[in-house]
Amino acid sequence: DQQVKQNSPSLSVQEGRISILNCDYTNSMFDYFLWYKKYPAEGPTFLISISSIKDKNEDGRFTVFLNKSAKHLSLHIVPSQPGDSAVYFCAAVSGNTGKLIFGQGTTLQVKP
Amino acid sequence: DTEVTQTPKHLVMGMTNKKSLKCEQHMGHRAMYWYKQKAKKPPELMFVYSYEKLSINESVPSRFSPECPNSSLLNLHLHALQPEDSALYLCASRGWGGGPETQYFGPGTRLLVL
Repeated sequence: DQQVKQNSPSLSVQEGRISILNCDYTNSMFDYFLWYKKYPAEGPTFLISISSIKDKNEDGRFTVFLNKSAKHLSLHIVPSQPGDSAVYFCAAVSGNTGKLIFGQGTTLQVKP
Repeated sequence: DTEVTQTPKHLVMGMTNKKSLKCEQHMGHRAMYWYKQKAKKPPELMFVYSYEKLSINESVPSRFSPECPNSSLLNLHLHALQPEDSALYLCASRGWGGGPETQYFGPGTRLLVL
């Protein structure tokens, strides 16, 4: 039973345009969500997070939107840059131990 | 500073070897984690240490043995591994920064078991 889902394995966008990465979850008890970016053979890099009491959080080119009723969150990258090409993981925090439940990841390719 | 360091960067070992992976953070975080990641898959949680005590073991085989000598260090001792244990091993720590639940990952150790 996959509690966090990223249904798009890959996404390709043109440099300068908006990239939108989507994530769905099933457990309404999740109260904190994070997005990580990962290059091959490197550790995930934290990008941005959002608490369930908010519906939007913005940090530079990155904005995360949370729709609790739909159990859906999305990461917007504007403008997209070739250096943004990587695998993006959505994760939800489960319980007091901070255990992360990851989605399967979306590979973003930004074309020059 | 949100740096988590891991050594070694790469490790090749035989199935009869004993080796250790090391992780260090100086952010004052009190929760530390070991993850295993296979290619094209998300990280899978192995162990959680909270205040230097093991709080979660995700049914990991005993050939993996974690140790937390102090609040800054986390080790993973490896013994009699199998080729299917080859993966990227990631350490993470949790504390304040991006938010109270944010985990910061190290660069990982790429392990190959022959």
